[in-house]
Parts: sequence; C-alpha cells; structure tokens
Amino acid sequence: GQQVMQIPQYQHVQEGEDFTTYCNSSTTLSNIQWYKQRPGGHPVFLIQLVKSGEVKKQKRLTFQFGEAKKNSSLHITATQTTDVGTYFCAGHRTSGTYKYIFGTGTRLKVLA
Amino acid sequence: ETGVTQSPTHLIKTRGQQVTLRCSSQSGHNTVSWYQQALGQGPQFIFQYYREEENGRGNFPPRFSGLQFPNYSSELNVNALELDDSALYLCASSGWNEQFFGPGTRLTVL
Repeated sequence: GQQVMQIPQYQHVQEGEDFTTYCNSSTTLSNIQWYKQRPGGHPVFLIQLVKSGEVKKQKRLTFQFGEAKKNSSLHITATQTTDVGTYFCAGHRTSGTYKYIFGTGTRLKVLA
Repeated sequence: ETGVTQSPTHLIKTRGQQVTLRCSSQSGHNTVSWYQQALGQGPQFIFQYYREEENGRGNFPPRFSGLQFPNYSSELNVNALELDDSALYLCASSGWNEQFFGPGTRLTVL
C-alpha cells in the first residue's frame, strides 16, 4: 500500500545546531504539507508545497519538494528549545479515495 | 487556536460498545477529515466529508462511519469497539488545502 516514511525517527540536537528531517513517498504526490505537533498537542500546519522542486522558507525553516514529487525535506537552522516537537509530512493525493497520508514523524528534542 | 472544537475531550468505553465523537469545523470550512492517531505514531486518515458527502476514505473497516451536517459540523461513529481502537481521534477542517486540527478526543477502550 501507499506509504510515507520519515527519517530519522528521533533526533536530539544541542540548541543552536541544525536539524533536517526527510520524507519519502512510495507514490507521486499532488502536494505535500508539513505539520508540527507539540507533546500532548495536535498537529499545527506549517506549510504546503505544490510544485516540483519547490523551495519555501519561513524564518529558520526551509522546506523542499523533490523534482519527482515523491520526497520532501524540512531543515531548521540554529534550533531553539521552542522547536521541540514531532514534525510530520503529509502527502496529499487528489485522485483516489485515500486523500492524506501522514508520515511516520520525526521527534525533535533540543537540549539547552 | 484553530476554531475547531471536538467533544468529548476524553472517553472510556468497553469492548463491543459504540461511540460517537463530534467536531465543529472552523467557520467557512466545508471539508472535514477525521484521523486516528495511536500513541507515538502519525495520524491515520479515516475519511473526509465535503458538503455532507463522503469524499475519501482510508483503510478503515465499515464499523467506522461518519456524518457531516448542513452547518459542516461532523460526527465519527465507531461500532463494536475493539481494544486497538484506543487512540487520539482528530478532526481537521479545511477550506482549500491547509488543515486546521481540533484538540482531539482521547478514546480508551477497556
């Protein structure tokens, strides 16, 4: 079946270090969304990427969508303690009945 | 604060029982999706409703059913509860693409 995998599963970084999580889909996606979920909270939308090869930036966060629209990455520069949480990608398909497929998530811990 | 509300916050049921969870979508959003999130895992897509019609479904059995009302609020019904149904159930409303998640309902099946 269709899968979206994320690596790494966990990442511990020292505050100020960079962090990257990678998302890989077994099938081509219409678009991809990224979410952040704090411990005990619910997913919060960060960004959506639609075009092949698209790159978007939000302050210290950089998002990329692969040329084949099957992979994506989120890079955080100079992490802060407020970046703690689990980051999920969600592949969106407009065809078929299975609309959204969330990745397995990367749990980020930032050590002060 | 997303404007998406869910009730109840927590629920405890026993195997075989039935449960109804409710979601009020953000104003102006006509699409509601439901997700199941087991501990330590990503949300799993259950189904989506658009203007009161089911618009997509994930890999969940028919005992998971739903409704969307004219005001775009929604219900998730689960019959014949199983232990593995214990999870956080999230609803998300969307206008075009961005999904706004509610706080979730934590369901425990004993």
